[in-house]
Amino acid sequence: QQQVKQSPQSLIVQKGGISIINCAYENTAFDYFPWYQQFPGKGPALLIAIRPDVSEKKEGRFTISFNKSAKQFSLHIMDSQPGDSATYFCAASINSNSGYALNFGKGTSLLVTP
Amino acid sequence: GAGVSQSPRYKVTKRGQDVALRCDPISGHVSLYWYRQALGQGPEFLTYFNYEAQQDKSGLPNDRFSAERPEGSISTLTIQRTEQRDSAMYRCASSYGPGTDTQYFGPGTRLTVL
Repeated sequence: QQQVKQSPQSLIVQKGGISIINCAYENTAFDYFPWYQQFPGKGPALLIAIRPDVSEKKEGRFTISFNKSAKQFSLHIMDSQPGDSATYFCAASINSNSGYALNFGKGTSLLVTP
Repeated sequence: GAGVSQSPRYKVTKRGQDVALRCDPISGHVSLYWYRQALGQGPEFLTYFNYEAQQDKSGLPNDRFSAERPEGSISTLTIQRTEQRDSAMYRCASSYGPGTDTQYFGPGTRLTVL
């Protein structure tokens, strides 16, 4: 059972445009929401993460928007660049002092055209 | 410093054979996670360890799958009597401590069961 639903499956954006990827979850116990970036042949790498006590977090060109009541969160990539072309995964987990397991979405393949 | 390493990077085996996949976490990282990633999907949690203790194995698909981390560092994921449906990318991740957010992923082991 997919605990985190991600859309779209693929996305093509022109250089300089805004890329938007959306995720939704059901488990209200989730309290940590990271986004991972994965290039071909590599493992996923943490891009940016948010906790539900804030509605937005920005790091450079990357912003997470979080809507707790709607149980949705999204990644916005401003001024998208060809080097941003990768697969992006949202995830959610219940963070605890004994560790946590990440529940991933199915991923979004982003292509930024020159 | 060195990241998470996994070996072998590729493993082809015949149905019914046992395989052992190795993960070497980032030095000093207490928590170690195993995930399985099918083509076009996000990673799926299998199990995790804090030090040498297996904290959660709820994601292991069946009793053919087992994992150990006897000295709290290197971990081995063993699949007995492999089946074709076991074919996937197996990824290991580590994090600094229990409840620490960022998981660093290794390059994965691509397992193909013929």
